Amino acid sequence: GENVEQHPSTLSVQEGDSAVIKCTYSDSASNYFPWYKQELGKRPQLIIDIRSNVGEKKDQRIAVTLNKTAKHFSLHITETQPEDSAVYFCAAIYSGNTPLVFGKGTRLSVIA
Amino acid sequence: SAVISQKPSRDICQRGTSLTIQCQVDSQVTMMFWYRQQPGQSLTLIATANQGSEATYESGFVIDKFPISRPNLTFSTLTVSNMSPEDSSIYLCSVAVATNEKLFFGSGTQLSVL
Repeated sequence: GENVEQHPSTLSVQEGDSAVIKCTYSDSASNYFPWYKQELGKRPQLIIDIRSNVGEKKDQRIAVTLNKTAKHFSLHITETQPEDSAVYFCAAIYSGNTPLVFGKGTRLSVIA
Repeated sequence: SAVISQKPSRDICQRGTSLTIQCQVDSQVTMMFWYRQQPGQSLTLIATANQGSEATYESGFVIDKFPISRPNLTFSTLTVSNMSPEDSSIYLCSVAVATNEKLFFGSGTQLSVL
């Protein structure tokens, strides 16, 4: 089955700097890669996703890149703000009936 | 998207008792899942709740401990049976509206077992 590794487990950045979180996956058949943000005491929420036929996707200050050959994908947050502080989870799946497999999460702290 | 109501939001229970968590969705969804999130940890899938049939459990989770019902396409329950302090965790219901890709999560049930 799929296995997703996520690094780093914690990340602190100064406000305005960029943050990068990286994930690797094991199943070359996986074709959908979402990222979830979980603020303290809240539910996880989907913030961006990418499919295997695309190499990069952007949405304002966040972007995700995918390298299928190396089986890794990354979340990039630019111009970080204190409200970006949260735990971020990557996930991977082969679209069908199997459920998402999540990484262990990255706790991002943006220091004002 | 989907609006998910999960209850109770939190509970404190005694060892050896059982708690049933309810998940109600405002529209019919194809797939419903139950996750466990221990403090500071990731999301661990307990099982997929199948409408009209037995749930599909992940390795390490069994029906006797976590019985699940899904009588229709908008409702599911998870029971945590014969609880011990190790069951203290947040339990999350999640749904996939069309395919198994985009998941929406309930607000979670924070369970503490004394």
